[in-house]
Amino acid sequence: AQRVTQPEKLLSVFKGAPVELKCNYSYSGSPELFWYVQYSRQRLQLLLRHISRESIKGFTADLNKGETSFHLKKPFAQEEDSAMYYCALKSGGFKTIFGAGTRLFVKA
Amino acid sequence: ETGVTQSPTHLIKTRGQQVTLRCSSQSGHNTVSWYQQALGQGPQFIFQYYREEENGRGNFPPRFSGLQFPNYSSELNVNALELDDSALYLCASSSGADTYEQYFGPGTRLTVT
Repeated sequence: AQRVTQPEKLLSVFKGAPVELKCNYSYSGSPELFWYVQYSRQRLQLLLRHISRESIKGFTADLNKGETSFHLKKPFAQEEDSAMYYCALKSGGFKTIFGAGTRLFVKA
Repeated sequence: ETGVTQSPTHLIKTRGQQVTLRCSSQSGHNTVSWYQQALGQGPQFIFQYYREEENGRGNFPPRFSGLQFPNYSSELNVNALELDDSALYLCASSSGADTYEQYFGPGTRLTVT
């Protein structure tokens, strides 16, 4: 079955600390993985995708096919990073499967 | 460039009733996907419309149906509402059926009593 698992509902870190939001997936085939973010009172928006291998707002995510993981990392968290983060998997070309989300809270 | 809009913002329905939710896609986009987001959960894919045809469907019963119009706006219809249909309904538009980047609307909050 195709599935995305985000084991942490809430992650709280201090400003300046490293942050890692975990994501594991289950998919038979070559996965296309994404991270979406939803800031307070804003719409859900794409943060990054694994194919582009880019850093957005200081965040990076590496696809590890052996561990079926796609963890989101940032070396130094900022208060403005506080948001809801969703890991997602694109399946069959049209369907996006989302995890349950992790709320990141960056404390001053 | 106009973003994705959805209407209404909120509505309350009674079990057994029918509801229609609307979505206007972003300018230049021909694909609309609908999602249901229950409280505390991530969005769940309902179906996708591409150039007025249903292009794919998630694990939702037939009482969830949709339409896409020539201007690429879309409707989600839900018949015989159940209490578990209470959720935030999101639509997202993109410039192609398999284009990775989709733009989300603000959602419609449906409460079924």
